[in-house]
Amino acid sequence: GAGVSQSPSNKVTEKGKDVELRCDPISGHTALYWYRQSLGQGLEFLIYFQGNSAPDKSGLPSDRFSAERTGGSVSTLTIQRTQQEDSAVYLCASSLGQVKNIQYFGAGTRLSVL
Amino acid sequence: RKEVEQDPGPFNVPEGATVAFNCTYSNSASQSFFWYRQDCRKEPKLLMSVYSSGNEDGRFTAQLNRASQYISLLIRDSKLSDSATYLCVVTSELTGTASKLTFGTGTRLQVTL
Repeated sequence: GAGVSQSPSNKVTEKGKDVELRCDPISGHTALYWYRQSLGQGLEFLIYFQGNSAPDKSGLPSDRFSAERTGGSVSTLTIQRTQQEDSAVYLCASSLGQVKNIQYFGAGTRLSVL
Repeated sequence: RKEVEQDPGPFNVPEGATVAFNCTYSNSASQSFFWYRQDCRKEPKLLMSVYSSGNEDGRFTAQLNRASQYISLLIRDSKLSDSATYLCVVTSELTGTASKLTFGTGTRLQVTL
């Protein structure tokens, strides 16, 4: 079946604008994760969802970042009032929802804040 | 100190060479261990899981030493197509049904003719 799908693949925005990034997980995967990879940096965990709830939001870098997941499927990561330091690749992953399940990644959204 | 540490490289090796990558992790509660591969401007893809008993998949061998909190990846008879960044990944439990992946910054491998 289809893998994890993310859109847009690239997003260029101006500082101060809001952006929405979308993730469509693998069908049947109950756990969904957001990560961020900045240039020259490792992947940084942001938030995860089990079903529609997000038990752990501690990885979100500031209150400008929020995420939601509806219907236990598609998730949206919203960044308000974007800053240049938000420029990064935002990766989404999904898994079957058990601790040892493999996480499968989407191709990411490359965000550039000018 | 970073939770997962790797030598960033780059490792430049000729085709056919054997190359080894090492990784250390700081969280003794880490439960699962993986090597992911990431090609330039692509998403990470699972290469293999890592077990204390060792895990071999063709030319790739991964090993875990829990006592030393050390993970290794050995690539034998390297190919041009092995050129990529290799990410050491450890997991810690978030809840009973989900785990958080913590990535090292990756080790870059360049295999040359």
